[in-house]
Amino acid sequence: DGGITQSPKYLFRKEGQNVTLSCEQNLNHDAMYWYRQDPGQGLRLIYYSQIVNDFQKGDIAEGYSVSREKKESFPLTVTSAQKNPTAFYLCASSISGSEQYFGPGTRLTVT
Amino acid sequence: QKEVEQDPGPLSVPEGAIVSLNCTYSNSAFQYFMWYRQYSRKGPELLMYTYSSGNKEDGRFTAQVDKSSKYISLFIRDSQPSDSATYLCAMSGPSGGYQKVTFGTGTKLQVIP
Repeated sequence: DGGITQSPKYLFRKEGQNVTLSCEQNLNHDAMYWYRQDPGQGLRLIYYSQIVNDFQKGDIAEGYSVSREKKESFPLTVTSAQKNPTAFYLCASSISGSEQYFGPGTRLTVT
Repeated sequence: QKEVEQDPGPLSVPEGAIVSLNCTYSNSAFQYFMWYRQYSRKGPELLMYTYSSGNKEDGRFTAQVDKSSKYISLFIRDSQPSDSATYLCAMSGPSGGYQKVTFGTGTKLQVIP
């Protein structure tokens, strides 16, 4: 089955630790995205990548980093510089940009 | 003013009712309009994808776009308890290069058996 996978589903970390969220897709999509979802707020774009070895900051990139070494993979690192890291993180991919398909999400809790 | 406005609800309807979900927007450059369904603690699922104005139907779902009023709607006919979820509208500008997708905050729908 084609789709997007994110792992793990739940992640717990202590404050001050970096953590990496995994996102893999087998849809052969060129573009991939990371969003953050908080209660009562719309999806906010963290980073996006339109092609391998290239990525751009979204609206809330501070405290996050990404890499795009393979077309299928777009991992997100939440660094200790992110002031409010507890959130639901969603990865998406697309061919054209508008029609985005989402993964199941990773719920990160930092205490 | 937000670029996309969506009533958060919750909206409660009896099973079998026709549901109308709506979004308004301010950016006249938007040309692509999407509706996503998101169950609790899950990723959003793309339901409908339309370009420019007009209607699009898929089973019990109809998406409607009125660009002159900057207003989009999603209608669900014969609503079922399994339709209980949060519905997100989303939209983006003309094609060509990267176009940011702007999401509404979502309307929570509850269909009561």
